[in-house]
Amino acid sequence: DAGITQSPRYKITETGRQVTLMCHQTWSHSYMFWYRQDLGHGLRLIYYSAAADITDKGEVPDGYVVSRSKTENFPLTLESATRSQTSVYFCASSESKASGNTIYFGEGSWLTVV
Amino acid sequence: TQLLEQSPQFLSIQEGENLTVYCNSSSVFSSLQWYRQEPGEGPVLLVTVVTGGEVKKLKRLTFQFGDARKDSSLHITAAQPGDTGLYLCAGAEGSQGNLIFGKGTKLSVKP
Repeated sequence: DAGITQSPRYKITETGRQVTLMCHQTWSHSYMFWYRQDLGHGLRLIYYSAAADITDKGEVPDGYVVSRSKTENFPLTLESATRSQTSVYFCASSESKASGNTIYFGEGSWLTVV
Repeated sequence: TQLLEQSPQFLSIQEGENLTVYCNSSSVFSSLQWYRQEPGEGPVLLVTVVTGGEVKKLKRLTFQFGDARKDSSLHITAAQPGDTGLYLCAGAEGSQGNLIFGKGTKLSVKP
C-alpha cells in the first residue's frame, strides 16, 4: 500500500528557476492539498483540489501553480523560485473535506532556493 | 482568519514525567485534531474531537476538547522517549472549512 508519495524528497534550485514537486496517491481520495511548513509559521495551506480539474487557493498561494488532470496526481509548480519559497512542502489527501475527516500526509519535499 | 495558539512551544522532560500541551483560540471550531510529526516525516493523525467537553484516551495520551469548542489539551502520562516529536493541533473552520494548524509543540523525552 504505497499511500501518498512525494518527489523529489530533496531539491536545491536557483532563484528564478521553475520547480515542480510531484504528489501521487493510491487511495482515490477526492481531496488533495499542498502545505508548506516553516519555523515560526507552522503548516500553511497553499492550494487544494476537490477533484480532477477543480483547484482552489489556500492561505499562501502566491508564486505557486497547481493542476489536477488525474485524481491521483497533484503537482505543485513554482514558476520562478524565490528564496522565500525555501521550505518543506507536504502533500496530503483525504476522502472528503467534512469536519473531522482524516488527512493523510506525504513524507515531505525539502526545497532550498539559493 | 481563525488562529490556534499552542503552548508551550518547546518541552524537554525526563522519561516518566507527565506533561500537558495546550491549544487555544478565540474562535469556535467544529472539530479539532491532534497530529504527531516525527523528524523527516509528515504529520500523522492521533485523534479527532468534535463535541464540546469531549475526552478521548489513546493509551497514555488523553485529549480534551473545551466546553466552548475553542480550546483543547493533550496530556501525556509517564512520557517515554518514543513520545518525542512535534505535536500539532488543527481546527476545522465550519463543517467544510480548511484546517488551521497551530505552530506546534516540540517535545523531547530524555531516557
